[in-house]
Amino acid sequence: GAVVSQHPSRVICKSGTSVKIECRSLDFQATTMFWYRQFPKQSLMLMATSNEGSKATYEQGVEKDKFLINHASLTLSTLTVTSAHPEDSSFYICSAPAGGANEQFFGPGTRLTVL
Amino acid sequence: AQSVTQLGSHVSVSEGALVLLRCNYSSSVPPYLFWYVQYPNQGLQLLLKYTTGATLVKGINGFEAEFKKSETSFHLTKPSAHMSDAAEYFCAVSDRGGGFKTIFGAGTRLFVKA
Repeated sequence: GAVVSQHPSRVICKSGTSVKIECRSLDFQATTMFWYRQFPKQSLMLMATSNEGSKATYEQGVEKDKFLINHASLTLSTLTVTSAHPEDSSFYICSAPAGGANEQFFGPGTRLTVL
Repeated sequence: AQSVTQLGSHVSVSEGALVLLRCNYSSSVPPYLFWYVQYPNQGLQLLLKYTTGATLVKGINGFEAEFKKSETSFHLTKPSAHMSDAAEYFCAVSDRGGGFKTIFGAGTRLFVKA
């Protein structure tokens, strides 16, 4: 099946700094990727849809200036958490559709901890 | 708008017992339906999906789910639980009309007792 990778798997940063998370489709091209946020023991919350070559589409309540998304190529989308604060600490997961029928392939996730 | 309801945030079964995880959806037209499994600190893995055709869908690890349009349900079952099945399970729906957006249920954590 299709493989999606994320880097880094874990990151710890100081409050006020920015953190970039990469999501790559390793063996297929993805014109669309999705970014989710997952709080402990909760479901995935869709943050935004990343579109190759155009602006991302953000879900209601998600600050686009806070969570910058860039989909520069058919295999790479990046999420940058700007001026991170402790409340941004979470598990961030990306996905990309492949194989038809809207099946999503998920990255392994990135655990962000903001001190 | 689509929505997914998973009944029971926690389900506990004994090893070897039947696993039943419930999922109901709301959609104006039958959507694509999925079950995903998540192990701690990992991404999600597809267990099975319903797109069209046979309403009983078989997936990996011995799981299966049945699409019942009249009940708008897509419950997940496994005849005999194994310790390795302990994980978080998410039911999800996606609109057939394109766009790929997927809506997830709140998740059900499965505990398997020895």
